[in-house]
Amino acid sequence: DADVTQTPRNRITKTGKRIMLECSQTKGHDRMYWYRQDPGLGLRLIYYSFDVKDINKGEISDGYSVSRQAQAKFSLSLESAIPNQTALYFCATSWRGTGELFFGEGSRLTVL
Amino acid sequence: ELKVEQNPLFLSMQEGKNYTIYCNYSTTSDRLYWYRQDPGKSLESLFVLLSNGAVKQEGRLMASLDTKARLSTLHITAAVHDLSATYFCLLVYGGATNKLIFGTGTLLAVQP
Repeated sequence: DADVTQTPRNRITKTGKRIMLECSQTKGHDRMYWYRQDPGLGLRLIYYSFDVKDINKGEISDGYSVSRQAQAKFSLSLESAIPNQTALYFCATSWRGTGELFFGEGSRLTVL
Repeated sequence: ELKVEQNPLFLSMQEGKNYTIYCNYSTTSDRLYWYRQDPGKSLESLFVLLSNGAVKQEGRLMASLDTKARLSTLHITAAVHDLSATYFCLLVYGGATNKLIFGTGTLLAVQP
């Protein structure tokens, strides 16, 4: 089983719908991140969390919200999805001592 | 403004040739990682470079770090098609805070 698991892996939805992407990890890491990747582009940070009570906005947080339900779980929500949120979303974890990121397999979201 | 720039952004090369990808950054680094991403897939950590002059090698890839020049390189020796992927550098900075910033990415296409 993967150490960082994202669900769903693929999702097609319509404009205006609420969507939740979930991430769980078994690595015991304290830090969790959500990144967005558009075709042919790099990774942009949406939100990150250093522990359950410490959640921070990244560079593109507008239109997104997150919840850190436990050390091992970090969810990303799109309250009202729009087509330009169509992208590949990655969850990642790290241990505060190193900064090395461990990625999930990605969630491909299409908003029609 | 803190920047991590990679060049080239796109590299098309023939099998058997050598080439270097550059990662330039604009702040003091604590460590630097190189990642590989296959199309539509997750990111996989290749190397971590911890100090000035560090060199790591794995197969046809060799990474180095010059903290004085604020430069890391990823050298490809005798490229093969299987190395075709996008390569990202990830800068860790900020001391104990372990802040992260990705490079822009380099898409490598190795032609037969």
